[in-house]
Amino acid sequence: RKEVEQDPGPFNVPEGATVAFNCTYSNSASQSFFWYRQDCRKEPKLLMSVYSSGNEDGRFTAQLNRASQYISLLIRDSKLSDSATYLCVVIRGGFKTIFGAGTRLFVKA
Amino acid sequence: GAGVSQSPSNKVTEKGKDVELRCDPISGHTALYWYRQSLGQGLEFLIYFQGNSAPDKSGLPSDRFSAERTGGSVSTLTIQRTQQEDSAVYLCASSLGAGNQPQHFGDGTRLSIL
Repeated sequence: RKEVEQDPGPFNVPEGATVAFNCTYSNSASQSFFWYRQDCRKEPKLLMSVYSSGNEDGRFTAQLNRASQYISLLIRDSKLSDSATYLCVVIRGGFKTIFGAGTRLFVKA
Repeated sequence: GAGVSQSPSNKVTEKGKDVELRCDPISGHTALYWYRQSLGQGLEFLIYFQGNSAPDKSGLPSDRFSAERTGGSVSTLTIQRTQQEDSAVYLCASSLGAGNQPQHFGDGTRLSIL
């Protein structure tokens, strides 16, 4: 079993839809959590950090549940430009960075 | 300001040759990471540098892989006696510190072993 697991998708949604991605991690010593997006043949780009209190950045909302070792990302009012692979990232031991394999999202007109 | 810079962008070489990949982190970033991403796969952690401390090499897949970081800035990843399974995109990232600091990635080096 992988340390960070994501549904690979793909998720195919129409513009304007709300879509939710989930991620689970197995190591309870994990300390920091992020969502990145990666476009085809490009480098990962930071989308947002994830906090237990939940955080929101425009149309994006991230949530962390430490008890269940679960991270989520909600995208509201999807745009065509949101089409990408979304990567769940967990850091433990101060630096050991574990990337999920990613969830692919296709937003169609 | 300038982001993380990696060179070369692409490298094609014959099996058995040595290759060197370079990463120039964002100025002021003390932490530097190397990752490998094979086609259609997630990122695989290779090595981590923090300031002038000894690096954590726990992710290096074999002793053919090594990395160094000079003066706490530029880093070089070296792969000796390359094999076809080394073909991948090698990504470098830097961050202000470790732990809860987000990492910023370079464009990567696409390595192809013939």
